[in-house]
Amino acid sequence: EAQVTQNPRYLITVTGKKLTVTCSQNMNHEYMSWYRQDPGLGLRQIYYSMNVEVTDKGDVPEGYKVSRKEKRNFPLILESPSPNQTSLYFCASSLARTSGVGSYEQYFGPGTRLTVT
Amino acid sequence: GEDVEQSLFLSVREGDSSVINCTYTDSSSTYLYWYKQEPGAGLQLLTYIFSNMDMKQDQRLTVLLNKKDKHLSLRIADTQTGDSAIYFCAVGKQAGGGADGLTFGKGTHLIIQP
Repeated sequence: EAQVTQNPRYLITVTGKKLTVTCSQNMNHEYMSWYRQDPGLGLRQIYYSMNVEVTDKGDVPEGYKVSRKEKRNFPLILESPSPNQTSLYFCASSLARTSGVGSYEQYFGPGTRLTVT
Repeated sequence: GEDVEQSLFLSVREGDSSVINCTYTDSSSTYLYWYKQEPGAGLQLLTYIFSNMDMKQDQRLTVLLNKKDKHLSLRIADTQTGDSAIYFCAVGKQAGGGADGLTFGKGTHLIIQP
């Protein structure tokens, strides 16, 4: 089954304790992206990756890091989490823009609800 | 940058049609999407339309695009309780989001009255 998986689904942590949220897709997609969803703000892009070893900042990258060492995985790293990073995080993937027909859909993971106290 | 606006809530009676509206600012946006988010779940693509189209129909869903006014709407015919969700409008310049990603609206909560 084609899917995007995220782990953990729920996480409560304390300020300053490094954490990683994993994201994996089994569709051989080139493009992967992280969003955060906050009430009244919709979804905002944190980082994206066009392919292995190619990453770039989205709209709200401060406080986050990513890596893309393998095509299927795109972890989100919070080196020193702060309470303003309490949010619902979504990973998404799609075929790259040059892939033609069928490349229009971003597949979203189920979300990771993070609380930083 | 791109700005996408939606009303936050829409309440309709079961069986009626729901119309969710969206406006965007960047006239070069080429790919326009509607996503559905059910409680506790991720986003699911409902439908999409390209900027060279005015309308797209898919079963109970009808998407209308007014490029001049930069206005997109999603009509759900015969609204059912299972349609209760948050609906996100998203626009982008490249298929699948691409390097620029997608710009999402804040989402419209569709509330179904029995």
